[in-house]
Amino acid sequence: GPKVLQIPSHQIIDMGQMVTLNCDPVSNHLYFYWYKQILGQQMEFLVNFYNGKVMEKSKLFKDQFSVERPDGSYFTLKIQPTALEDSAVYFCASSSLLGTSAETLYFGSGTRLTVL
Amino acid sequence: AQSVTQPDARVTVSEGASLQLRCKYSYSATPYLFWYVQYPRQGLQLLLKYYSGDPVVQGVNSFEAEFSKSNSSFHLQKASVHWSDSAVYFCALSMGSNNRIFFGDGTQLVVKP
Repeated sequence: GPKVLQIPSHQIIDMGQMVTLNCDPVSNHLYFYWYKQILGQQMEFLVNFYNGKVMEKSKLFKDQFSVERPDGSYFTLKIQPTALEDSAVYFCASSSLLGTSAETLYFGSGTRLTVL
Repeated sequence: AQSVTQPDARVTVSEGASLQLRCKYSYSATPYLFWYVQYPRQGLQLLLKYYSGDPVVQGVNSFEAEFSKSNSSFHLQKASVHWSDSAVYFCALSMGSNNRIFFGDGTQLVVKP
């Protein structure tokens, strides 16, 4: 099936540093999402993004978070500065704009972020 | 408000036995419903989805799910499980195209050899 790639798979940083998580979505998809999963807990929605804009964000999407997709390259989640509670696995997802699969999100394998 | 409830945090079955993982949803209209599976250290993979039509939908690896509007449920079933089915299963709901998905808490499935 369609593949979403996330780079890197694991990142360890010191609290207060900046981190950028990269996502290579499915090639013809135009909607992008980030979810956060703390170990053993629920997948929680952070944000979705379309046409260069944040369409919807949750209360978990703090001011320190930002997303962008410059020039159709990676869809990124930046956290600046990081906090201990940001430690989690972050999943990227994408969906097509139209068609019978527009309601289906395809997920990457996640980036495990450890903030020390 | 919309929500998804998976009442069983963990289910243990023997290999070859039948399986049902329960899912209840809350939404005023008919939602898009999904089952995703998460294998260790991997992302979520779509098993099946439902929006309309036949309430029994077939998915990958012989999984199927049955939608019940009267019970607000979307239970996942498999006639005979294999040890490789051990994973976390998430039921999820969407309100439509390009909408975010709301996930249940997940059910850890353990298949004993």
